[in-house]
Amino acid sequence: KNQVEQSPQSLIILEGKNCTLQCNYTVSPFSNLRWYKQDTGRGPVSLTIMTFSENTKSNGRYTATLDADTKQSSLHITASQLSDSASYICVVSANFGTDKLIFGTGTRLQVFP
Amino acid sequence: KAGVTQTPRYLIKTRGQQVTLSCSPISGHRSVSWYQQTPGQGLQFLFEYFSETQRNKGNFPGRFSGRQFSNSRSEMNVSTLELGDSALYLCASTPQSVSIGELFFGEGSRLTVL
Repeated sequence: KNQVEQSPQSLIILEGKNCTLQCNYTVSPFSNLRWYKQDTGRGPVSLTIMTFSENTKSNGRYTATLDADTKQSSLHITASQLSDSASYICVVSANFGTDKLIFGTGTRLQVFP
Repeated sequence: KAGVTQTPRYLIKTRGQQVTLSCSPISGHRSVSWYQQTPGQGLQFLFEYFSETQRNKGNFPGRFSGRQFSNSRSEMNVSTLELGDSALYLCASTPQSVSIGELFFGEGSRLTVL
């Protein structure tokens, strides 16, 4: 069964600190992996999208990594800001089949001053 | 460039009623997809429309349906509403396909079923 698991479920850090969110997946055949940021009550916003051949992708203070062999991805946030407080959702896309997009349940990040 | 617009933003219905939600995609985007988000289940894919045809469908009962018009605007309909249908319904658009392209989400329509 195609699944995407994220950890931790929630995370609290102090402003200025770094953090890493994890995403493990069992999706086949794999097409790409995306990270989204969702502020409370808003629609998700794309951070990165990586295909099979990409190991690392950055978007400002956000850096995503992908290990297609172990089927793991991480999202690293550097020098966190209060505005980073949000849910971060990992989404894996399959090439074909009925499960086109499989969503993780997200990591809720809270950044305190 | 205008983003994805969803209407209405909030609505309250009672069990047994039906509801229609609207989504206007980013200009030039031909793929529109719909998602249900609940605290317990997270985000779940409902269906995708491309050039007025349903291209993909998630695991939802037939009470959930949709359509796309020639201008790429899309509507989704939920009939015979149940309490469990209370959720944030998100629409996203992309130029090609949900499985390939970056998704641009609207702000969602929050449905409460009483």
